Formats: sequence, structure tokens, C-alpha cells
Amino acid sequence: EPEVTQTPSHQVTQMGQEVILRCVPISNHLYFYWYRQILGQKVEFLVSFYNNEISEKSEIFDDQFSVERPDGSNFTLKIRSTKLEDSAMYFCASHRELEAFFGQGTRLTVV
Amino acid sequence: GIQVEQSPPDLILQEGANSTLRCNFSDSVNNLQWFHQNPWGQLINLFYIPSGTKQNGRLSATTVATERYSLLYISSSQTTDSGVYFCAVLDNYGQNFVFGPGTRLSVLP
Repeated sequence: EPEVTQTPSHQVTQMGQEVILRCVPISNHLYFYWYRQILGQKVEFLVSFYNNEISEKSEIFDDQFSVERPDGSNFTLKIRSTKLEDSAMYFCASHRELEAFFGQGTRLTVV
Repeated sequence: GIQVEQSPPDLILQEGANSTLRCNFSDSVNNLQWFHQNPWGQLINLFYIPSGTKQNGRLSATTVATERYSLLYISSSQTTDSGVYFCAVLDNYGQNFVFGPGTRLSVLP
């Protein structure tokens, strides 16, 4: 069964550093998403991406964040100048029809 | 935007017991999915169920879209069922999935 793949599974970074979280969505999917879950809290929407551009973004998704689909298969989330409060689980998702498929997540720890 | 509520927030069961988890949503939706978040934080897709009833082993789900709720049934619970159960809906604009706050299930041996 096709799946959404995220790398790395766990990343530790120094405060102020830039990180790139990577996702490989299912190949024929058209809609891509990033979500964030701070430990013990809700899963929060960050951004959706369709037709090579952002279709919607939340208030969380400020200038610190950016997304890119650099090569037609990968979908990346870049976080510039990380802060302690960026520590969270980050999930990528994709869908073509209405059923979404989520990756296994990247646990980001900012120290 | 659409609001999603889940109940109960916490549930403790003895192994072998049955349970029902509920998800209410405030507007009509194009999609509803149930997920299990395991102790490692991974989201496991349980059901894609915008309407009707589905069953998968000991788990089943029912969505009554006209009344804006969905139920997840877990029968003969096992300790491996422990974790947080989320429902998520895709609003009619189709822009993003909105997650409920989750139900934390603890199954005791």
C-alpha cells in the first residue's frame, strides 16, 4: 500500500538553527499538508499546498516557515531560526480524492 | 471555521471491555477520518468514513453526517489499543483537515 514517508524521524537542533523536514507524498496525490502537534496538545494545521503554491496557511505559519516542492516528489517544510517552542511532532499529509494519508511524523527537539 | 469536539476526553478500561468514542462536528463535511496515535506519536489511519458504517476487526465506526457526529467502537479492548484517538474532518472548502482534541484511552491489563 502506498504511504507518505517523512524524514528524519527525529531531529535535534540548536536554537537559532534552520531545519528542513522532508516528506515524500503518495505519487499521484495533488494536495499536500503540514501539521504540527506540540507534546500533549492538539494536531494543528500549518499549511496546505496545491498546484505548486500555498492554498491556505494558519496563523502559526508565519515568516519563520516556508514550504517547497523542489523536484516534483519531495515536499519540504523549512523552519528558520528555530525557537524552543518549535519543539513538536510535525506531520505531512497528502490526498488526491478526499481521504488523507499522514506520514509517521518527525519529532523536532530544539535545545 | 468548523469546530470538532470529542468525548470523553479520557477513558480508562480493563482489558476485554468495550468502548464508544464520539466525535461531533459543527458543519457539513466532505470527509471524516479516525486516527490512533500510538505511544511513539505516530498517527495510524483507522477509518475513512464520511458516512455510513465500516468495520475492521475489533474496531468499527459509524458516521451520521446529517446529524454531524461519528462514533468509534472498540470491542474486547487490548492494552495495545491504548493511546489517543483523533477524529479529523475536511471542511467543505476542502482546504484543510481540522482535528478534534482527542480521546486518551488507557487499557489496563
